[in-house]
Amino acid sequence: EDQVTQSPEALRLQEGESSSLNCSYTVSGLRGLFWYRQDPGKGPEFLFTLYSAGEEKEKERLKATLTKKESFLHITAPKPEDSATYLCAVFYTGGFKTIFGAGTRLFVKA
Amino acid sequence: GAVVSQHPSRVICKSGTSVKIECRSLDFQATTMFWYRQFPKQSLMLMATSNEGSKATYEQGVEKDKFLINHASLTLSTLTVTSAHPEDSSFYICSAKSGRVSEAFFGQGTRLTVV
Repeated sequence: EDQVTQSPEALRLQEGESSSLNCSYTVSGLRGLFWYRQDPGKGPEFLFTLYSAGEEKEKERLKATLTKKESFLHITAPKPEDSATYLCAVFYTGGFKTIFGAGTRLFVKA
Repeated sequence: GAVVSQHPSRVICKSGTSVKIECRSLDFQATTMFWYRQFPKQSLMLMATSNEGSKATYEQGVEKDKFLINHASLTLSTLTVTSAHPEDSSFYICSAKSGRVSEAFFGQGTRLTVV
């Protein structure tokens, strides 16, 4: 079954405490993996697209990496304003659609 | 990133009435638009995919006669919730993309409350 699984479901960090969010996928023919940030009551905000294993992208305190089975979103020295739900999505040729994981809710305490 | 505008952001309607939600890509031509529904603390549930000038493709379990989708131009798609009932109350989000693999950009979402 085509599936995207994110872990942990929720993550609580102290300000400055680096960590990683995981997105594992089982789809056939991955064409792109996307990371989004969603704040409560708002639509998701695009962060990164990764296309192939070994690819990495960075933006401020965030770094996304991709392997053949999973992606990680590394958060370095997070700040309270990084608190949000982070969504992972994959586009694949097996279904020619994009499916989303359930998200990781990140809480960063000052 | 590209801008997608969704309107209205909030709407309250009476049971039995219809509500239209608009989704516009402001600075790019959207060959494909998507409509999602999101329940509290849950991820996005894809309702339908629409390509400009074509009929929308609905996901299994989504009533196409209840959720009417029109993608009349490369910059505009609309979702009409017909004969709305309280159980249709939810957060509806659209997204748009150009090209087959490219990332999709999301609107701000519409909070629909049916009373």
